[in-house]
Amino acid sequence: AQSVAQPEDQVNVAEGNPLTVKCTYSVSGNPYLFWYVQYPNRGLQFLLKYITGDNLVKGSYGFEAEFNKSQTSFHLKKPSALVSDSALYFCAVRDIEDSNYQLIWGAGTKLIIKP
Amino acid sequence: DTEVTQTPKHLVMGMTNKKSLKCEQHMGHRAMYWYKQKAKKPPELMFVYSYEKLSINESVPSRFSPECPNSSLLNLHLHALQPEDSALYLCASSQEGQGSYEQYFGPGTRLTVT
Repeated sequence: AQSVAQPEDQVNVAEGNPLTVKCTYSVSGNPYLFWYVQYPNRGLQFLLKYITGDNLVKGSYGFEAEFNKSQTSFHLKKPSALVSDSALYFCAVRDIEDSNYQLIWGAGTKLIIKP
Repeated sequence: DTEVTQTPKHLVMGMTNKKSLKCEQHMGHRAMYWYKQKAKKPPELMFVYSYEKLSINESVPSRFSPECPNSSLLNLHLHALQPEDSALYLCASSQEGQGSYEQYFGPGTRLTVT
Protein backbone atom coordinates (compact mmCIF):
# COMPACT_ATOMS: atom_id res chain seq x y z
CA ALA A 1 0.00 0.00 0.00
CA GLN A 2 1.16 3.50 -0.76
CA SER A 3 1.72 5.77 2.22
CA VAL A 4 3.51 8.84 3.53
CA ALA A 5 4.73 9.23 7.08
CA GLN A 6 5.53 12.49 8.81
CA PRO A 7 6.71 11.16 12.17
CA GLU A 8 6.54 14.47 14.05
CA ASP A 9 3.23 16.16 14.77
CA GLN A 10 5.11 19.31 15.76
CA VAL A 11 8.62 20.67 15.37
CA ASN A 12 9.90 23.57 17.48
CA VAL A 13 12.92 25.57 16.32
CA ALA A 14 14.50 28.80 17.48
CA GLU A 15 14.67 31.59 14.93
CA GLY A 16 17.96 31.53 13.05
CA ASN A 17 18.56 27.84 13.65
CA PRO A 18 18.37 25.22 10.90
CA LEU A 19 15.15 23.28 10.59
CA THR A 20 14.24 19.83 9.32
CA VAL A 21 10.76 18.40 8.78
CA LYS A 22 10.86 14.68 8.12
CA CYS A 23 9.01 12.65 5.51
CA THR A 24 9.28 9.02 4.48
CA TYR A 25 7.19 7.32 1.85
CA SER A 26 6.18 4.00 0.38
CA VAL A 27 5.09 3.57 -3.23
CA SER A 28 5.10 0.55 -5.50
CA GLY A 29 6.90 2.34 -8.33
CA ASN A 30 9.07 5.42 -8.69
CA PRO A 31 7.83 8.51 -6.86
CA TYR A 32 7.07 12.09 -7.56
CA LEU A 33 7.52 13.92 -4.25
CA PHE A 34 6.14 17.26 -3.09
CA TRP A 35 6.10 19.60 -0.12
CA TYR A 36 3.25 21.98 0.58
CA VAL A 37 2.78 24.63 3.28
CA GLN A 38 -0.46 25.89 4.75
CA TYR A 39 -0.76 29.07 6.77
CA PRO A 40 -3.78 29.50 9.09
CA ASN A 41 -7.07 29.87 7.23
CA ARG A 42 -5.30 29.68 3.86
CA GLY A 43 -5.08 27.25 0.99
CA LEU A 44 -2.11 25.00 0.34
CA GLN A 45 0.98 26.51 -1.25
CA PHE A 46 3.39 24.44 -3.33
CA LEU A 47 6.95 24.63 -1.98
CA LEU A 48 9.07 22.23 -3.99
CA LYS A 49 9.16 18.94 -5.83
CA TYR A 50 11.34 16.04 -6.84
CA ILE A 51 10.54 14.61 -10.24
CA THR A 52 13.88 13.43 -11.57
CA GLY A 53 17.53 14.46 -11.67
CA ASP A 54 19.49 16.04 -8.82
CA ASN A 55 18.51 14.60 -5.45
CA LEU A 56 18.76 18.01 -3.78
CA VAL A 57 15.95 20.28 -4.85
CA LYS A 58 15.44 23.90 -3.95
CA GLY A 59 12.12 25.63 -3.62
CA SER A 60 10.34 28.73 -2.44
CA TYR A 61 11.28 30.82 0.61
CA GLY A 62 14.74 29.26 0.93
CA PHE A 63 13.51 25.73 1.53
CA GLU A 64 15.21 22.67 0.10
CA ALA A 65 14.70 18.92 0.29
CA GLU A 66 16.82 15.88 -0.41
CA PHE A 67 15.46 12.80 -2.12
CA ASN A 68 17.03 9.64 -0.65
CA LYS A 69 15.92 6.60 -2.59
CA SER A 70 17.56 4.02 -0.34
CA GLN A 71 15.94 5.47 2.77
CA THR A 72 12.73 6.41 0.92
CA SER A 73 12.88 9.83 2.49
CA PHE A 74 12.31 13.40 1.35
CA HIS A 75 13.09 15.62 4.33
CA LEU A 76 12.42 19.35 4.13
CA LYS A 77 15.20 21.65 5.30
CA LYS A 78 16.08 25.30 5.72
CA PRO A 79 19.45 26.62 6.93
CA SER A 80 18.05 29.49 9.01
CA ALA A 81 14.46 29.53 10.26
CA LEU A 82 12.26 32.62 10.31
CA VAL A 83 9.29 33.24 12.60
CA SER A 84 7.22 33.61 9.42
CA ASP A 85 8.01 29.97 8.54
CA SER A 86 5.61 28.90 11.30
CA ALA A 87 2.87 26.94 9.53
CA LEU A 88 1.55 23.45 8.77
CA TYR A 89 3.68 21.45 6.34
CA PHE A 90 2.49 18.51 4.27
CA CYS A 91 4.56 15.98 2.37
CA ALA A 92 2.88 14.23 -0.57
CA VAL A 93 3.87 11.46 -2.95
CA ARG A 94 2.58 10.18 -6.22
CA ASP A 95 3.46 7.00 -8.06
CA ILE A 96 4.65 8.06 -11.53
CA GLU A 97 2.69 5.13 -12.99
CA ASP A 98 -0.58 6.44 -11.54
CA SER A 99 -2.54 7.87 -14.43
CA ASN A 100 -5.17 9.24 -12.06
CA TYR A 101 -2.81 11.91 -10.67
CA GLN A 102 -3.62 11.02 -7.08
CA LEU A 103 -1.46 12.38 -4.29
CA ILE A 104 -0.91 10.41 -1.09
CA TRP A 105 -0.58 12.88 1.77
CA GLY A 106 1.26 12.79 5.06
CA ALA A 107 -0.62 13.78 8.21
CA GLY A 108 1.16 17.11 8.41
CA THR A 109 3.76 18.63 10.72
CA LYS A 110 3.16 21.86 12.59
CA LEU A 111 6.33 23.96 12.52
CA ILE A 112 6.73 26.54 15.27
CA ILE A 113 9.60 29.01 15.05
CA LYS A 114 10.23 30.85 18.31
CA PRO A 115 11.85 34.31 18.35
CA ASP B 1 1.14 33.05 -12.97
CA THR B 2 0.10 30.07 -10.83
CA GLU B 3 -3.20 31.37 -9.57
CA VAL B 4 -6.31 29.36 -8.91
CA THR B 5 -9.30 31.42 -7.83
CA GLN B 6 -12.29 30.23 -5.84
CA THR B 7 -15.59 31.84 -4.98
CA PRO B 8 -17.12 32.41 -2.54
CA LYS B 9 -14.55 32.63 0.24
CA HIS B 10 -17.13 31.82 2.88
CA LEU B 11 -20.51 30.12 2.62
CA VAL B 12 -23.12 29.38 5.25
CA MET B 13 -26.00 27.22 4.14
CA GLY B 14 -28.87 25.32 5.65
CA MET B 15 -29.40 21.64 5.11
CA THR B 16 -32.15 22.25 2.55
CA ASN B 17 -30.29 24.83 0.48
CA LYS B 18 -28.70 24.48 -2.93
CA LYS B 19 -25.47 26.33 -3.56
CA SER B 20 -22.45 26.14 -5.86
CA LEU B 21 -18.74 26.60 -5.41
CA LYS B 22 -16.72 27.93 -8.32
CA CYS B 23 -13.09 27.51 -9.32
CA GLU B 24 -11.11 29.01 -12.18
CA GLN B 25 -7.60 28.66 -13.55
CA HIS B 26 -6.02 30.22 -16.62
CA MET B 27 -2.75 28.29 -16.65
CA GLY B 28 -3.84 25.83 -19.34
CA HIS B 29 -3.69 22.98 -16.85
CA ARG B 30 -5.25 19.71 -18.05
CA ALA B 31 -6.33 18.39 -14.65
CA MET B 32 -8.53 19.97 -12.00
CA TYR B 33 -9.44 18.69 -8.56
CA TRP B 34 -11.85 19.16 -5.67
CA TYR B 35 -10.67 18.42 -2.14
CA LYS B 36 -12.29 18.58 1.26
CA GLN B 37 -10.12 19.56 4.21
CA LYS B 38 -10.90 19.41 7.90
CA ALA B 39 -8.90 21.53 10.33
CA LYS B 40 -5.24 20.50 10.71
CA LYS B 41 -5.75 17.44 8.49
CA PRO B 42 -4.45 16.70 5.00
CA PRO B 43 -6.86 17.35 2.14
CA GLU B 44 -9.14 14.51 1.05
CA LEU B 45 -9.57 14.03 -2.68
CA MET B 46 -13.18 14.20 -3.90
CA PHE B 47 -13.08 14.50 -7.68
CA VAL B 48 -10.55 14.69 -10.51
CA TYR B 49 -11.21 16.03 -13.98
CA SER B 50 -8.79 15.32 -16.79
CA TYR B 51 -9.37 17.10 -20.09
CA GLU B 52 -12.78 18.14 -18.77
CA LYS B 53 -13.84 14.54 -18.13
CA LEU B 54 -14.45 13.15 -14.67
CA SER B 55 -11.77 10.57 -14.02
CA ILE B 56 -12.06 10.02 -10.27
CA ASN B 57 -15.05 10.13 -7.95
CA GLU B 58 -13.81 9.06 -4.55
CA SER B 59 -17.10 7.59 -3.34
CA VAL B 60 -18.41 11.04 -2.58
CA PRO B 61 -22.09 11.30 -1.55
CA SER B 62 -24.44 12.37 -4.31
CA ARG B 63 -25.26 15.57 -2.45
CA PHE B 64 -21.97 16.80 -3.98
CA SER B 65 -22.14 17.15 -7.75
CA PRO B 66 -19.13 18.32 -9.79
CA GLU B 67 -19.25 20.02 -13.14
CA CYS B 68 -16.52 21.08 -15.55
CA PRO B 69 -18.06 23.51 -18.09
CA ASN B 70 -14.72 24.08 -19.86
CA SER B 71 -11.01 23.61 -19.39
CA SER B 72 -10.69 26.64 -17.11
CA LEU B 73 -13.73 26.24 -14.88
CA LEU B 74 -14.79 23.78 -12.22
CA ASN B 75 -17.97 23.90 -10.18
CA LEU B 76 -19.14 21.95 -7.17
CA HIS B 77 -22.91 21.89 -6.71
CA LEU B 78 -24.15 21.35 -3.16
CA HIS B 79 -27.57 20.12 -2.14
CA ALA B 80 -29.05 18.82 1.11
CA LEU B 81 -25.75 18.89 2.93
CA GLN B 82 -25.20 17.64 6.46
CA PRO B 83 -23.45 19.49 9.31
CA GLU B 84 -20.49 17.10 9.00
CA ASP B 85 -19.91 18.48 5.51
CA SER B 86 -18.70 21.72 7.07
CA ALA B 87 -15.06 22.08 5.99
CA LEU B 88 -12.64 23.96 3.77
CA TYR B 89 -13.21 23.04 0.13
CA LEU B 90 -10.14 23.39 -2.03
CA CYS B 91 -9.82 23.46 -5.77
CA ALA B 92 -6.51 22.63 -7.45
CA SER B 93 -5.09 22.24 -10.93
CA SER B 94 -2.00 20.66 -12.48
CA GLN B 95 -0.35 20.73 -15.89
CA GLU B 96 0.48 17.00 -16.09
CA GLY B 97 3.36 17.21 -18.47
CA GLN B 98 6.69 18.86 -19.33
CA GLY B 99 8.04 18.06 -15.88
CA SER B 100 5.19 19.84 -14.15
CA TYR B 101 3.07 17.55 -11.99
CA GLU B 102 2.56 19.68 -8.92
CA GLN B 103 -0.91 20.80 -7.97
CA TYR B 104 -1.66 24.47 -7.44
CA PHE B 105 -4.38 25.21 -4.93
CA GLY B 106 -6.90 27.98 -4.62
CA PRO B 107 -7.51 29.75 -1.30
CA GLY B 108 -10.55 27.60 -0.59
CA THR B 109 -14.18 28.09 0.35
CA ARG B 110 -14.96 27.84 4.06
CA LEU B 111 -18.33 26.05 4.16
CA THR B 112 -20.54 25.94 7.24
CA VAL B 113 -23.71 23.83 7.16
CA THR B 114 -26.27 24.77 9.78
